Amino acid sequence: QSVLTQPPSASGTPGQRVTISCSGSSSNIGTNAVNWYQQLPGTAPQPLMYTDNQRPSGVPDRFSGSKSGTSASLAISGLQSEDEADYYCATWDDSLNGWVFGGGTKLTVL
Amino acid sequence: EVQLVQSGAEVKKPGESLWISCKGSGYTFTSYWIGWVRQMPGKGLEWMGIIYPGDSDTRYSTPFQGQVTISADKSTSTAYLQWSSLKASDTATYYCARRNGRKGGWYFDLWGRGTLVTVSS
Repeated sequence: QSVLTQPPSASGTPGQRVTISCSGSSSNIGTNAVNWYQQLPGTAPQPLMYTDNQRPSGVPDRFSGSKSGTSASLAISGLQSEDEADYYCATWDDSLNGWVFGGGTKLTVL
Repeated sequence: EVQLVQSGAEVKKPGESLWISCKGSGYTFTSYWIGWVRQMPGKGLEWMGIIYPGDSDTRYSTPFQGQVTISADKSTSTAYLQWSSLKASDTATYYCARRNGRKGGWYFDLWGRGTLVTVSS
């Protein structure tokens, strides 16, 4: 049972817009910035979003992040086949005094 | 090139000990915390702990406290994850990752490729 709750799966067709949610609490998302990581099949996770809505260099602007209260979201517009991957949200938890990850969302491009 | 290079896959028996490594290059290794993340087969990411190579200050996630040891060698820019007695349940891929950002906005910006550890009799 992960501290951060994500839907286990999401899907969309090429060109569509997909949103992945991440729900937490006042000790994690409610207080600290949220990060998102993309894990392509068979590879290491890579940073996709940091400080709620900042994209690392090289990440297309099709990806956007937002946060409100104790929930965060990752939106992917103009969905492409190469976006098929697992997506994880993460943040610091002040009560646990450690990093916490969501359970991950497997995105399928139909 | 800024990178974290991890040691190769390991196959071990229950009860054996193991060290895996993560060597940083292309940046000042002692200035960034290095975290370790476990991914069990077909499962999600779990934070295990983190070390500051500059002074070896180390923090552990509660489930991993006492189960593993995290260390670092400044002279070789290498972080280590160690088990004294492996269990079958330690079978997983282990990633090291560099923490970047600022207070309230930390994130892992650089990841190693992972080390697959298989524990089987």
